[in-house]
Amino acid sequence: DTGVSQNPRHKITKRGQNVTFRCDPISEHNRLYWYRQTLGQGPEFLTYFQNEAQLEKSRLLSDRFSAERPKGSFSTLEIQRTEQGDSAMYLCASSLVDGAAGNTIYFGEGSWLTVV
Amino acid sequence: AQSVTQLGSHVSVSEGALVLLRCNYSSSVPPYLFWYVQYPNQGLQLLLKYTTGATLVKGINGFEAEFKKSETSFHLTKPSAHMSDAAEYFCAVSYGNNRLAFGKGNQVVVIP
Repeated sequence: DTGVSQNPRHKITKRGQNVTFRCDPISEHNRLYWYRQTLGQGPEFLTYFQNEAQLEKSRLLSDRFSAERPKGSFSTLEIQRTEQGDSAMYLCASSLVDGAAGNTIYFGEGSWLTVV
Repeated sequence: AQSVTQLGSHVSVSEGALVLLRCNYSSSVPPYLFWYVQYPNQGLQLLLKYTTGATLVKGINGFEAEFKKSETSFHLTKPSAHMSDAAEYFCAVSYGNNRLAFGKGNQVVVIP
């Protein structure tokens, strides 16, 4: 179990540029989540996948944001035309949903985005 | 909507003293309840969780939490604080969809 892996860990970009983050979940975990965390706040849900299907998107996920999980394994989160308000830590998490109650969700170390 | 309240963004505790972090949720339906810890520049690590059964839950690093349905609470405690407990602590809930909703967190400072 190598844990949830995210890269890059840090990204500084100019306003208006596109950025992409990658997440490799714990192997065999069928559910993958993206959260956003700003300073002094708890993580906020963005979206999640069950295998390759994107099942829910938060209204925080504007049309500049797109997430994919093409083969049901790794996932990418792309932000187009970045704005300063996008500066945050983007957390990926995964879990094995097997019908049991309250499955544990495991988080990666996050990808910090700074838009200048 | 799921709502989690954690009062007091910063909590100072003396080394060796009791750590008490309060968490209340707003729902008539008991959720699944979680406490996560986040060290600087790191992701979140699960401390403990309540799903069903015994309402007193023991977690890692000597922490425990008690689910009280009548008070809609899930407060986190540790009898004796250690310097290594300095971190940010988040309470979270889910309602079976396995999607977590987090509180704003408590930044714990341990005073030597």
